Amino acid sequence: GENVEQHPSTLSVQEGDSAVIKCTYSDSASNYFPWYKQELGKRPQLIIDIRSNVGEKKDQRIAVTLNKTAKHFSLHITETQPEDSAVYFCAASGGTSYGKLTFGQGTILTVHP
Amino acid sequence: DGGITQSPKYLFRKEGQNVTLSCEQNLNHDAMYWYRQDPGQGLRLIYYSQIVNDFQKGDIAEGYSVSREKKESFPLTVTSAQKNPTAFYLCASRRDRVNTGELFFGEGSRLTVL
Repeated sequence: GENVEQHPSTLSVQEGDSAVIKCTYSDSASNYFPWYKQELGKRPQLIIDIRSNVGEKKDQRIAVTLNKTAKHFSLHITETQPEDSAVYFCAASGGTSYGKLTFGQGTILTVHP
Repeated sequence: DGGITQSPKYLFRKEGQNVTLSCEQNLNHDAMYWYRQDPGQGLRLIYYSQIVNDFQKGDIAEGYSVSREKKESFPLTVTSAQKNPTAFYLCASRRDRVNTGELFFGEGSRLTVL
């Protein structure tokens, strides 16, 4: 089945810096890659997603890139703000197990004012 | 309000007891999921269901059971066979029986086994 590895497990940046979180997946048939943000004490919420027919997608300060050949995708956050502090999860779906969404281990992002 | 409701929010049980966590959605979503969240291990899939009366094992199904008798309900039973049941459990739903689309999560249930 699908295996998603996420790095780093913790990331600390200064406000205004950029943050990058990387994920690799194992199932070459996977075709959907979402990112979720979980603020402290809250439920995870989708912040951006990308499908396998696209190499990059942007939404204001966040962007996701996908390299299908290398089977990795990354989340980029520019001009970080303290409210970006949260746990971020990558995920992969669409492989051999139809409908199954497999998450990475999560990255705790801390943005220092 | 449309959404996913999990209950109870906190649950304490003695070792060896089965417990059932409730998950109800009024979003008319086809697919429903149960994840377990432990520090440093992300969200691990326990069971998922794409349609009523059908469900599939996830990556850590041992010691858990589910049912999907109604579209809006997907209860999870943590049995006494689950070796380490203390955890935070998240239920989620997705609109369609497809590989894409947003998961909507409930607020979670924290189970503590004493």
